[in-house]
Amino acid sequence: NAGVIQTPRHKVTGKGQEATLWCEPISGHSAVFWYRQTIVQGLEFLTYFRNQAPIDDSGMPKERFSAQMPNQSHSTLKIQSTQPQDSAVYLCASSPRTEKNTLYFGAGTRLSVL
Amino acid sequence: AQKVTQTQTSISVMEKTTVTMDCVYETRDSSYFLFWYKQTASGEIVFLIRQDSYKKENATEGHYSLNFQKPKSSIGLIITATQIEDSAVYFCAMSLYGNEKITFGAGTKLTIKP
Repeated sequence: NAGVIQTPRHKVTGKGQEATLWCEPISGHSAVFWYRQTIVQGLEFLTYFRNQAPIDDSGMPKERFSAQMPNQSHSTLKIQSTQPQDSAVYLCASSPRTEKNTLYFGAGTRLSVL
Repeated sequence: AQKVTQTQTSISVMEKTTVTMDCVYETRDSSYFLFWYKQTASGEIVFLIRQDSYKKENATEGHYSLNFQKPKSSIGLIITATQIEDSAVYFCAMSLYGNEKITFGAGTKLTIKP
């Protein structure tokens, strides 16, 4: 069991560029979550999918952030026109059907917007 | 909506002692789930223990146990026989029944001294 895999581990973008973050959940897990972690805001919920369907995106900044889960083996978080305030560690987590509400986190992608 | 508050920013204790970390939560829902997660110095976030609101018995898992006081909306984490490797940031979290979105507290940094 490789755990949740996030790529890249680090990403540096210039202001205004696009960033795409990838997540591969644990095989067999039915839900995928995206969180953002900063010193100031802590762990913020962004969005989650169950069985590939978007369930709750209440934490997503509406204008520039989008998330997709095209198949059960990966999810992407895309940030358009990145801004310095988007700099954070973006964490993906998955949970199994048999243990709903228990999250298994990936190592995160550290996004730095210059 | 739910809210989780951890008022202790940091705690330092001697190795092999017992430590309690506090957490209070807010929700209007009658059914919910409470969790504790640990983030190590490497950034890895790991699930530790959960308490379902309808269960009166405090959850235990290894040297972790919970002090669930529902009338006070409180869920304390107790770690007995602490070890150096227990040094980490501990997050309290909750989700509502029927929604897997998990809301995290700000975290408490625990340092175990030899």
